[in-house]
Amino acid sequence: DAGVIQSPRHEVTEMGQEVTLRCKPISGHDYLFWYRQTMMRGLELLIYFNNNVPIDDSGMPEDRFSAKMPNASFSTLKIQPSEPRDSAVYFCASSPGAYQETQYFGPGTRLLVL
Amino acid sequence: DAKTTQPPSMDCAEGRAANLPCNHSTISGNEYVYWYRQIHSQGPQYIIHGLKNNETNEMASLIITEDRKSSTLILPHATLRDTAVYYCIVRAPAATNKLIFGTGTLLAVQP
Repeated sequence: DAGVIQSPRHEVTEMGQEVTLRCKPISGHDYLFWYRQTMMRGLELLIYFNNNVPIDDSGMPEDRFSAKMPNASFSTLKIQPSEPRDSAVYFCASSPGAYQETQYFGPGTRLLVL
Repeated sequence: DAKTTQPPSMDCAEGRAANLPCNHSTISGNEYVYWYRQIHSQGPQYIIHGLKNNETNEMASLIITEDRKSSTLILPHATLRDTAVYYCIVRAPAATNKLIFGTGTLLAVQP
């Protein structure tokens, strides 16, 4: 099993540009999570999906952020327009499901917005 | 969700046991205690979890006090590769699947 796959691993962009982060969860996992990590705020949950349906997006910072999961093997997190304060490491994680199940994290995407 | 309190940092000599404490005095009866760790520049990694009994796996042991208000993660023979931030998390109620990460404990294993 390849684990959770994220792309790109690093992204440098200029303020105002659109950024799209991609995630492929572990096959068979019903839950997918997007997290953001910064020095100031630590690791924050942005949104999570169950069976491709967004369940809780209360952590999404503002309307500039959107996430989709068109099928069980792919999800995107989009920032449009990007701002310097969006610079962070974005992690995707997946879980088999059920209450006690653990989450498996990807390697993260390091985003720098200039 | 119950809050957790961990020391910000700890040191441990290589080869010795590392004992990482966590306080969760407001834990509910149906909430599990989870431990994750994050090695520098990597995503968090699951270590172990438990409800009220002590648990052991190939990575660590988890000791939960009888009143469940605190727990200790034990790495029996710490290596340099165990240097990481360790997060103690009390799992949200069954209605959600959320993990709320705190600030964790930075464990530095010294040679």
